[in-house]
Amino acid sequence: EAQVTQNPRYLITVTGKKLTVTCSQNMNHEYMSWYRQDPGLGLRQIYYSMNVEATDKGDVPEGYKVSRKEKRNFPLILESPSPNQTSLYFCASSPTMRPGNTIYFGEGSWLTVV
Amino acid sequence: AQSVSQHNHHVILSEAASLELGCNYSYGGTVNLFWYVQYPGQHLQLLLKYFSGDPLVKGIKGFEAEFIKSKFSFNLRKPSVQWSDTAEYFCAVNLPGTYKYIFGTGTRLKVLA
Repeated sequence: EAQVTQNPRYLITVTGKKLTVTCSQNMNHEYMSWYRQDPGLGLRQIYYSMNVEATDKGDVPEGYKVSRKEKRNFPLILESPSPNQTSLYFCASSPTMRPGNTIYFGEGSWLTVV
Repeated sequence: AQSVSQHNHHVILSEAASLELGCNYSYGGTVNLFWYVQYPGQHLQLLLKYFSGDPLVKGIKGFEAEFIKSKFSFNLRKPSVQWSDTAEYFCAVNLPGTYKYIFGTGTRLKVLA
């Protein structure tokens, strides 16, 4: 089954404790991206990746890092989480960014930083 | 900077009522346009998309959207909503040739049975 898988789905952590949210897709997609969803703000893009070893900042990259060493994986790293990073995070992938390609979203990761 | 506006933040309708959700974007050039739906507790799913051609686009579950270039709008419509349409709806814009998606803030639709 084609899917985008995120882990963990739910996490409560403390300020400053490094964490990684993993994202994996089994569709051989080139494009992957991370979003955060906050009430009243919709989805905001954090980082995206056009292919292996090719990443770029989205609209809200501060406090986050990403890497794309393999095509299927695109982990989101919070080196020193802060309470304002409490949010719902979505990973997404797409074959490429050519017109006609749909973006597929993961099921989301609820992160709470206390 | 480019932006996407969804002016209706919360909409409550009775079953069988007609629906229209507004979406306006700020970008003067060609855009790719999308509507996504997020059912409670689930991830976003594509409802429909527009890249070129007929400005009236039909999607899944009886939804359609009309691209009006002169108004920079891409409003979502459904003639008769059902209780199962209760969800949050997001409009999104992608600038051709770029890897960035810009999402609106979403509209929460509640359909009363």
